[in-house]
Amino acid sequence: DQQVKQNSPSLSVQEGRISILNCDYTNSMFDYFLWYKKYPAEGPTFLISISSIKDKNEDGRFTVFLNKSAKHLSLHIVPSQPGDSAVYFCAASGYSGGGADGLTFGKGTHLIIQP
Amino acid sequence: GAVVSQHPSRVICKSGTSVKIECRSLDFQATTMFWYRQFPKQSLMLMATSNEGSKATYEQGVEKDKFLINHASLTLSTLTVTSAHPEDSSFYICSARAPLNYGYTFGSGTRLTVV
Repeated sequence: DQQVKQNSPSLSVQEGRISILNCDYTNSMFDYFLWYKKYPAEGPTFLISISSIKDKNEDGRFTVFLNKSAKHLSLHIVPSQPGDSAVYFCAASGYSGGGADGLTFGKGTHLIIQP
Repeated sequence: GAVVSQHPSRVICKSGTSVKIECRSLDFQATTMFWYRQFPKQSLMLMATSNEGSKATYEQGVEKDKFLINHASLTLSTLTVTSAHPEDSSFYICSARAPLNYGYTFGSGTRLTVV
């Protein structure tokens, strides 16, 4: 039973446009969410996070939106750049990031930025 | 920033042998480290939580006698895959919690191939 779901295995976006990656979760105990970017044969690189007390967090070109009632979050990248091409993982934790809980990951979405 | 170093990055071993993977926090102390495994086209799955000075906590379905975890110091955790079999071939990644911002920092991963 997957508690964090990324239903789009891949997404193709034109350079300069907005990329929107979606993530759904089922466990209502999750209260801290993170997005990671990953290249093949490398560890994930942290992008942005959001606590359940917020509904939006912005950092440069990256914005994460959280809809708790729908148990849905999304990552917006604008404008998309060729270097953004990678696999993006949504992850969740149940301790507001302050505990020692491991992360639960989605399966990832392969974002392809086309020139 | 917080850096986690993982070694080796790639290892090929014969079936029946043991392999040790090291995970070091380079500029911070980590009382807790996490070990994940990623099979092709799958998400990162938490295997175990490594606690300095005490026994590791394993996720359901992970054999603790096969995946030995030692967290002997605040900067080093090791994962030993004992009596490796081809089905243990996977990408293993460690992670540690950086204390100041509670961020999860990941190592670069280890590609294990058992032949």
